[in-house]
Amino acid sequence: EDQVTQSPEALRLQEGESSSLNCSYTVSGLRGLFWYRQDPGKGPEFLFTLYSAGEEKEKERLKATLTKKESFLHITAPKPEDSATYLCAVADRGSTLGRLYFGRGTQLTVWP
Amino acid sequence: GAVVSQHPSWVICKSGTSVKIECRSLDFQATTMFWYRQFPKQSLMLMATSNEGSKATYEQGVEKDKFLINHASLTLSTLTVTSAHPEDSSFYICSAKYTEAFFGQGTRLTVV
Repeated sequence: EDQVTQSPEALRLQEGESSSLNCSYTVSGLRGLFWYRQDPGKGPEFLFTLYSAGEEKEKERLKATLTKKESFLHITAPKPEDSATYLCAVADRGSTLGRLYFGRGTQLTVWP
Repeated sequence: GAVVSQHPSWVICKSGTSVKIECRSLDFQATTMFWYRQFPKQSLMLMATSNEGSKATYEQGVEKDKFLINHASLTLSTLTVTSAHPEDSSFYICSAKYTEAFFGQGTRLTVV
C-alpha cells in the first residue's frame, strides 16, 4: 500500500532561518511526487512535481529534491508569508491519472 | 496554472437535509475529477473518483448512497451529501488533472 510520511509535524522558524521538510514515501511505482502549500481554510496550491531521483526544482525561496525513498523541501531565508502547511503527495503508476496519496503535512510557522 | 473553482466555500445545514457542492474546471476539460475530505490536522483522504459520463468510483468505507457524485459534463462534478449528520461536518476538496492535479478552494460543511 502506498504510504507518505512527512516530518516534522510542525516547525517554527525565525525569519531568515533556513530549514528542510522531509517526505518519505513507499510506492510500487512512482509516477510523480508533488509538493503543495495549503493555507488555513483553503485548498492545496501546487508548488512542484518531481519525477525521478536526482531531480530538483526551485521557486523563489523553495527548493525541492527527490531521492528513491524521500523528498526534501528546502526553505531558504523564510519570511512570515511562507507560514502554511506544506503537503507532500505521490502518484502511483498503477493508479488513475491524477489520483494522489497525501501525507499529513508539515505546519510551518515563520515568526519575525 | 489551471483553475478549479469550488462552490460554496462554506455551508451550514440542518441535520437530515442534503447539501450539494459544485466543482468546476474553468479553463480546461476534465474527464476525471477527485473528491477529498480533510479533518483538522489530518491528511486529505480520497473519497471518490468522478468520471464524466459514468459512475463514480468510491474508496473503501465511503458510503456511495450518502455521498452522491455526478459528473455530467467535462467541466462540472457535483458532490451531494444526503441526509447530512454532524459527523459529516468536514472540509471537502475537489481536484482535477490538467498538467498537474489542481485543487478547488474547498468547502467547509457544518451540520447542526
